[in-house]
Formats: sequence, structure tokens, C-alpha cells
Amino acid sequence: AAGVIQSPRHLIKEKRETATLKCYPIPRHDTVYWYQQGPGQDPQFLISFYEKMQSDKGSIPDRFSAQQFSDYHSELNMSSLELGDSALYFCASSLGDGDTQYFGPGTRLTVL
Amino acid sequence: KQEVTQIPAALSVPEGENLVLNCSFTDSAIYNLQWFRQDPGKGLTSLLLIQSSQREQTSGRLNASLDKSSGRSTLYIAASQPGDSATYLCAVGSTGGFKTIFGAGTRLFVKA
Repeated sequence: AAGVIQSPRHLIKEKRETATLKCYPIPRHDTVYWYQQGPGQDPQFLISFYEKMQSDKGSIPDRFSAQQFSDYHSELNMSSLELGDSALYFCASSLGDGDTQYFGPGTRLTVL
Repeated sequence: KQEVTQIPAALSVPEGENLVLNCSFTDSAIYNLQWFRQDPGKGLTSLLLIQSSQREQTSGRLNASLDKSSGRSTLYIAASQPGDSATYLCAVGSTGGFKTIFGAGTRLFVKA
């Protein structure tokens, strides 16, 4: 069965650079969630989209933005990267609101 | 503001034991509750999803219960196996299900 795809899997950036993370949900899933997980921490909700519209927002810095495109894939754009942005970034998708969330393998971002 | 707490933080049991993991949340106005498993450095795997109108869900050796009024959920694992060793995370979905708050997780180690 198809799963959530995230790219890239690993990303190394310098401070103050920008990064773009991509997420391809499971086919027919219309809802995408983004999470940030620091070392030894639980996933922190960043933002979610339903039917290409932002549906909820969590602890997402103003330096980050995201959108969901017409094909339902989503991109998380991160600018002016800081050392503290180093983390695993997960994307999850679901069919509608409140349904089971299926997580992707994550993108490990390292900011040097 | 919703807060999710998981007890215990870590648990070590011999193979074959039945065990219970606890999750509590401060705001009972939830949409759903989901239990996940996470292996070190890996993504999250959904185990069980309980909608707010449900009391429990079962899958194989796993049984999850939900008591919204008391703000509690438990994950029962029967006949534990070494392969069950992982971190178990409880996640509460807000009304509409678009914002998900995670607990810090319970790190389980099952000894052979």
C-alpha cells in the first residue's frame, strides 16, 4: 500500500539559509499535517491543511510557511534557519478531519 | 490549552507480561485520541484511533480505552514481546481533528 512520501530524507543547511521540505500524502487523502520533533522530544504540531486550505496552526515560527497544492502535496518552507531548527520534520496525512493520521518517514534537518 | 501527560515515562517488563500505559489530557473537549508507536529515529506508526464517541478500540493484542469525562486513556498490551519495545505516544485531536497534541511518550522495554 502506498504511504506518505517525504523528501528529502536528510538535509544539511547553514544558518540563515532556506529549506523546503516536501510531503506527498497517501492517494485520496485530503488532509496534511506537519510536525517538528526535536531530539528526545515528542512531536510538536506545526500546521495542517484540509482541501488545500490551512485548517489549524500550532507552534510554527513566523519564519516558516507552508501550503497545500492542487494535487494535495504540501511544502514546508523554512527561512533564516537557526541552529534550533535542527530536528526531524514529519508529515502525516489523513482522509478528512479526525481520521487516522499516517506518518511519513520524516526529513532530518541539520542546521550548521 | 490542551496538555497531554503520559505515565510512566519509561517501563521495563519481562516478556509475556500484560501491561498498561496511561495517558491523561486536561481538556475533555476532544475530537479523537490516537495511540502511536515510534521506534528510535523512525517515523510514527498508528496503532489505534478512538473517536470521542467511542469507549474503546481493539487490534490484536492491543486495547485502548477512552474516558473523556475523566480525561484519561489507557493502552493495554497483552502478552508483551521483545518486538513491542518502542516509545508509545498518545495524541489528542482537537475539535475538528486538525490540531493534534502529543504526550511525551512512554518508553517501553520488553526483556526476552
